[in-house]
Amino acid sequence: ETGVTQTPRHLVMGMTNKKSLKCEQHLGHNAMYWYKQSAKKPLELMFVYNFKEQTENNSVPSRFSPECPNSSHLFLHLHTLQPEDSALYLCASSQVNSGGGETQYFGPGTRLLVL
Amino acid sequence: QKEVEQNSGPLSVPEGAIASLNCTYSDRVSQSFFWYRQYSGKSPELIMSIYSNGDKEDGRFTAQLNKASQYVSLLIRDSQPSDSATYLCAVTKTGSARQLTFGSGTQLTVLP
Repeated sequence: ETGVTQTPRHLVMGMTNKKSLKCEQHLGHNAMYWYKQSAKKPLELMFVYNFKEQTENNSVPSRFSPECPNSSHLFLHLHTLQPEDSALYLCASSQVNSGGGETQYFGPGTRLLVL
Repeated sequence: QKEVEQNSGPLSVPEGAIASLNCTYSDRVSQSFFWYRQYSGKSPELIMSIYSNGDKEDGRFTAQLNKASQYVSLLIRDSQPSDSATYLCAVTKTGSARQLTFGSGTQLTVLP
């Protein structure tokens, strides 16, 4: 579990607040991901960063803004969220190789509640 | 049709029995398949990955892949109460080996 860390672990915010989630991976990986996990729904991929470049954005609303300053750190900036954005936000990392299908390792998640 | 389908359960088995978890996927050219275990309130942890047709064994766990039937399963032998968790099936998406598509998960309870 210490390979990928996330802070904060819990966050309560109002709809007008701005907050950021932080993820750090200590595995030497070069790809990082943000996922959203809502109750009774499958894990949803939000963003993919490969070698610090955003390669995927799965139609995520603009109130979620990712930032990847280097291959070890990933942020998710939040602003003007809605109550339906309350969920567990998971960060993951993997080591990209030419064959694909790399294993993704997850952090402990940030439990977000939007009031 | 969902991209990755799993029976949501709950699936209950007695301690020591074999638990069988199933997953079907819709994208015929999917290449990589993963089983994750998620305890309540925790993040997913990888149990098995499988890339070729057939069986792959690791301790008490066996993953089975049948690409022709678009079916992947996970067998847990000698089930223990500590195996009680939600098991997530994940498949890489065509054209993007980095994009994992997850099923909704199967909740397994092993009864002592």
